[in-house]
Amino acid sequence: QVQLQESGPGLVEPSQTLSLTCTVSGGSISSGSYYWSWIRQPAGKGLEWIGRIYTSGSTNYNPSLKSRVTISVDTSKNQFSLKVSSVTAADTAMYYCATMVAGKGNFDPWGQGTLVTVSS
Amino acid sequence: QSALTQPASVSGSPGQSITISCTGTSSDVGGYNYVSWYQQHPGKAPKLMIYEVSNRPSGVSNRFSGSKSGNTASLTISGLQTEDEADYYCSSYTSSSTYVFGTGTKVTVL
Repeated sequence: QVQLQESGPGLVEPSQTLSLTCTVSGGSISSGSYYWSWIRQPAGKGLEWIGRIYTSGSTNYNPSLKSRVTISVDTSKNQFSLKVSSVTAADTAMYYCATMVAGKGNFDPWGQGTLVTVSS
Repeated sequence: QSALTQPASVSGSPGQSITISCTGTSSDVGGYNYVSWYQQHPGKAPKLMIYEVSNRPSGVSNRFSGSKSGNTASLTISGLQTEDEADYYCSSYTSSSTYVFGTGTKVTVL
């Protein structure tokens, strides 16, 4: 069973770029047909899908975040990453990485999440 | 894309059945069978409970069931138990090759 673990700075200054990494264990990020996704949740609020990257490297993003988001894969490190540029306080949230088998349409499993606060 | 609409809260007594609705459009819930449901306890990551409208992953209690009619999907919890108290979110694939989550429902066991 694949396991995911998010990592990255817990504090980011406004207008800077938020960068997070999700490390995949228990399987190869480049094997099989998988989508690797990022999802976030502001404190006390609902889930928001940020985007995903396919094993081949193709991406899809939430239209509301598309201009500021980049998701990439590093197969040598068995990791995928998220970058959100020009952050504001509204980007403060718990960030989760999750995987999806192509053709299944559900997120499973999820990482435990990492809290990112945008503040000076 | 707009979040799918769920009731803010649903409650029931132990042993009762409750149903949570998830309303979208023909571009998401109504157009695809890629509707899934997640349970989230406080401070924890979401857990998959139902996928592809009505399928239960291995290990999920058969007290949880899902269905869909038109643009509305539903999650039913039968034989409500105290450990079912949590937040529940639906999710759907969309015609834009993206995903959208529901607004979330807090389930309270009275």
